[in-house]
Amino acid sequence: GQSLEQPSEVTAVEGAIVQINCTYQTSGFYGLSWYQQHDGGAPTFLSYNALDGLEETGRFSSFLSRSDSYGYLLLQELQMKDSASYFCAVSDNYGQNFVFGPGTRLSVLP
Amino acid sequence: GAVVSQHPSWVICKSGTSVKIECRSLDFQATTMFWYRQFPKQSLMLMATSNEGSKATYEQGVEKDKFLINHASLTLSTLTVTSAHPEDSSFYICSAAGEVGGFDSPLHFGNGTRLTVT
Repeated sequence: GQSLEQPSEVTAVEGAIVQINCTYQTSGFYGLSWYQQHDGGAPTFLSYNALDGLEETGRFSSFLSRSDSYGYLLLQELQMKDSASYFCAVSDNYGQNFVFGPGTRLSVLP
Repeated sequence: GAVVSQHPSWVICKSGTSVKIECRSLDFQATTMFWYRQFPKQSLMLMATSNEGSKATYEQGVEKDKFLINHASLTLSTLTVTSAHPEDSSFYICSAAGEVGGFDSPLHFGNGTRLTVT
């Protein structure tokens, strides 16, 4: 089977740092991706890790530990516009079968 | 780059009618396209995977005769919801994977289609 787990909700204030964790159990693994989705919109790609370690893209960073089947998305200098749902996703086959986590609803407060 | 266009963005139809949703990759060849369904406040659930020129692979529990998928070219895939019922009302999103960055590249999503069946 395939399953991913994320916290359902996270709340933080503007300017803060927040970490959204993702654990996964999949039959195969070709990378962990993170997507942002605002209400009513489509998911947009944020970050991707195929190898262990930290990937940094501006205010967003993503970490992967394949031995722990664990990753996280780190959002720094939070802004109101970061309020959205964040999904981790695993590709368990070469370019196929992307499985999404349940999503984490981030609320950024003034 | 890597733009995926989905049309229409929203549609309202009567129960029993069929609705076709188009998904196009505008600047790359999408060898594989994915169709997802998302209910409010839930995650994206993969419905089917389509490869150009071959039959789609449907996920367990998805009726292939109800959700017809055609991937006739490397830039176009269509999803037809046949004999739609109110419980089919949902947000349908397509995505494409192809040669952009290799097969392990991230998914590129269309803007989604909000289907409401009355």
